[in-house]
This record gives sequence, C-alpha cells and structure tokens, in this order.
Amino acid sequence: DTEVTQTPKHLVMGMTNKKSLKCEQHMGHRAMYWYKQKAKKPPELMFVYSYEKLSINESVPSRFSPECPNSSLLNLHLHALQPEDSALYLCASSQEGRGAGVRYEQYFGPGTRLTVT
Amino acid sequence: AQKVTQAQTEISVVEKEDVTLDCVYETRDTTYYLFWYKQPPSGELVFLIRRNSFDEQNEISGRYSWNFQKSTSSFNFTITASQVVDSAVYFCAHLTSGSRLTFGEGTQLTVNP
Repeated sequence: DTEVTQTPKHLVMGMTNKKSLKCEQHMGHRAMYWYKQKAKKPPELMFVYSYEKLSINESVPSRFSPECPNSSLLNLHLHALQPEDSALYLCASSQEGRGAGVRYEQYFGPGTRLTVT
Repeated sequence: AQKVTQAQTEISVVEKEDVTLDCVYETRDTTYYLFWYKQPPSGELVFLIRRNSFDEQNEISGRYSWNFQKSTSSFNFTITASQVVDSAVYFCAHLTSGSRLTFGEGTQLTVNP
C-alpha cells in the first residue's frame, strides 16, 4: 500500500482564520514532507521531518507551522495567511536513508487546494 | 548546485505516437538519484521510477522506458504508443545526500485521440 492521504481536499479560508491541513501514511516511512505548488510550477519544498523531528525548514514564513504528532501523521497549521499563499499543498513520505546512505522515492498525497480570500 | 532542466514545456501528440520527454541534470555529487513523476489533472504526483547514479542500466516498464546517460547528464523518458490517459505534467527530479528533491519545470504532455 503506497497511499498517502490528505484532508481536506479543498479549503477556503479568510486571512484571519486558523486552519490545519492533515496528512497520514501507513507505509512505515520515517521521513515526511510538505510542499507548496503554484499553478504551472513544480512543487517547492517547505518542511522535512525525519523520525518525527523537523530537519529542514526552507525559510517558510511563521504563518505556516508544521507538526508531526507521530510517525504516521503530519499537520500543517495555518494562521493569518495571505492571498498569495493560495496553492496546492502536497504531503509526501519516504523511507529514511541515514547519513550518506541510500535515498528513496517520495510518495505524494493528492494535495489540499487552498484558497485564501 | 543541483539543477534539472526540462526544455520541453509542452508536447502534443496523437494517440499511438511515441513520445520522448527530455531531462538534463547538473550536479557536483558522485552519488545522486534521479526520478520521474507524473501529475495528472487531479493533482497527485505519481512516482514512476528511481535511478541511482551508479546504475546506468536502462529500464522498460510496459509502454514506459527510461534512458540514463551519465556522459550527457540526461535521463530521458519515452512513452511508446501513447494513450489519452498519458496526458499529464511529467516532472524529472534529482536528489543527493540531503533530502531536497530538485524538480525540473515539468513537461505538459497532451495526447489527442
């Protein structure tokens, strides 16, 4: 089973709202990722969690706050977003290669289409 | 720095034609990984293949085949006898010892009936 699930599928929020995106995988992967994708562009990495610890933050504004409650779940908390934050938010997971070891493919969820009004 | 170039922004073919999607990468690392992903209109990125830098063997999977050539830093993807369901954006991507997956800009493939 190579499935990553994301909820909700669509989200419309105002600039003063607080909302959360959720991601779940049951493949035993210990690396999880958040990406942002604008229309007609490739995904851009936002955050990486490795063994439930934040390992990469690509200088993302603090209005995006990730959380990894356990090895299967990944959340992205949203607060005071701007209209330019409207995008497709993709979650992914992969096996974790330690140090300079093997690297593995990432499996992506279907994404959450976020519109900020 | 890592860079992936997909020079073909859009390709349009008629069903049953063969089509090749080009991917050229730049890296200073001796160990790296290359990937192809498919993104249909629904939005989900679908993993197609992973290739390691030390394995230049070409691969065939059904109608899909990949040609990896380190001498030209290319990792091209061919779809044989294309079908309408192959219509999607295809991304080539590169990964080194870190966890940052570098994507190309993508190629929009449209297969017309």
